[in-house]
Amino acid sequence: EVQLVESGGGLVKPGGSLRLSCTASGFNFNTYTMNWVRQAPGQGLEWVSSITSSSSYIYYGDSMKGRFTISRDNAANSLFLQMSSLSVEDTAVYYCAREDLTGRLDFWGQGTLVTVSS
Amino acid sequence: DIQLTQSPSSLSASVGDRVTITCRASQNIDTYLNWFQQRPGTAPKLLVYVASSLQIGVPSRFNGSGSGTDFTLTITNLQPEDFATYYCQQSYNVPRTFGQGTKVDIK
Repeated sequence: EVQLVESGGGLVKPGGSLRLSCTASGFNFNTYTMNWVRQAPGQGLEWVSSITSSSSYIYYGDSMKGRFTISRDNAANSLFLQMSSLSVEDTAVYYCAREDLTGRLDFWGQGTLVTVSS
Repeated sequence: DIQLTQSPSSLSASVGDRVTITCRASQNIDTYLNWFQQRPGTAPKLLVYVASSLQIGVPSRFNGSGSGTDFTLTITNLQPEDFATYYCQQSYNVPRTFGQGTKVDIK
């Protein structure tokens, strides 16, 4: 069974940093592109970042460039999102999602809540 | 960046109704368009990928169509569990983008 479990969310002050993790199981993690998608309270979905299977290609949404860093450890079946210079606008549930060759995000984790507040 | 515009933003329907949601892309995205369902407090669930392919396990009352810039998600014989918010998403290029969502609630 495919499972994605996010962790690392919590309360952080504006300007602070946080590192999110996503642990994968039930599939060959090292063959899939992985994504982060976020959802602010009461708002829609916003794509954050993606990383290809061997980390050869990395992409970010415009508002994340220079502040967020995506990475992965295929040996540990883990995906990460290092977030810095956080603002209240970054408050959201952050989901990790698996992407296959057609570009479909076919499996999602349950999400982890990041709250940026003083 | 490719913009996706969904319409309507919300709609009210009854069990058994047929519902149609549209998604318009700001440029040609071929058939690289996916549809998701999200119930409150849960992660999005993939319904349709590459415009018209039904994800495994999704009921056949869900149907996706379209290509280029105009896409449609149709739900026939609406069921109680279908009251949710629906999002389109393009996988044509990066940055990936989502539509703003369409909330389907009970009339």
